[in-house]
Amino acid sequence: AQKVTQAQTEISVVEKEDVTLDCVYETRDTTYYLFWYKQPPSGELVFLIRRNSFDEQNEISGRYSWNFQKSTSSFNFTITASQVVDSAVYFCALSESTRAAGNKLTFGGGTRVLVKP
Amino acid sequence: DAGVTQSPTHLIKTRGQHVTLRCSPISGHKSVSWYQQVLGQGPQFIFQYYEKEERGRGNFPDRFSARQFPNYSSELNVNALLLGDSALYLCASSLSGGRTDTQYFGPGTRLTVL
Repeated sequence: AQKVTQAQTEISVVEKEDVTLDCVYETRDTTYYLFWYKQPPSGELVFLIRRNSFDEQNEISGRYSWNFQKSTSSFNFTITASQVVDSAVYFCALSESTRAAGNKLTFGGGTRVLVKP
Repeated sequence: DAGVTQSPTHLIKTRGQHVTLRCSPISGHKSVSWYQQVLGQGPQFIFQYYEKEERGRGNFPDRFSARQFPNYSSELNVNALLLGDSALYLCASSLSGGRTDTQYFGPGTRLTVL
């Protein structure tokens, strides 16, 4: 079975500091997809980024960047120059395709980010 | 364009009752998935539907059931509610439900069982 681990339960920073969220995953699939979602206090999960397993090129999108390393099964996410509005719970997720479960996302436990002004 | 919508937003039930939660996917999306998120944890997969057919089921008891309608909206039903069913129920839609698809989530229905 697949597994996603987010070891950091909560991170507190001061505005404008960078925040890096760790994600480690386990899968037997050779092709898979990884996601980061943000969940503000309102509860809705907001899609942030997606990365497939055969493209290890790291990218930057605005204040977001991610570091995907297949060799260590890690998919870390960085928010540069954090803002108060970034305060939320962030989830790392791994897509899985099985006969029993169809196509589902396996989520980590989440990391709560608190950005103080 | 409207995102995924869910109703109701909040619901309070007592043990043993039945509940129906509703979800409308993003226009053009044909797959709907349901997740349960207990407070302080990540979402757990319950069901996936595509073109009105159940494509997948998570590790939940038979008290949980769902269906998808011709317009691709979906209902999640939970019978004989238990205190442990209290959670945020999230609906997600995607184009075809394939592994490469991105799932977009609605605001959720918060269910409280007393």
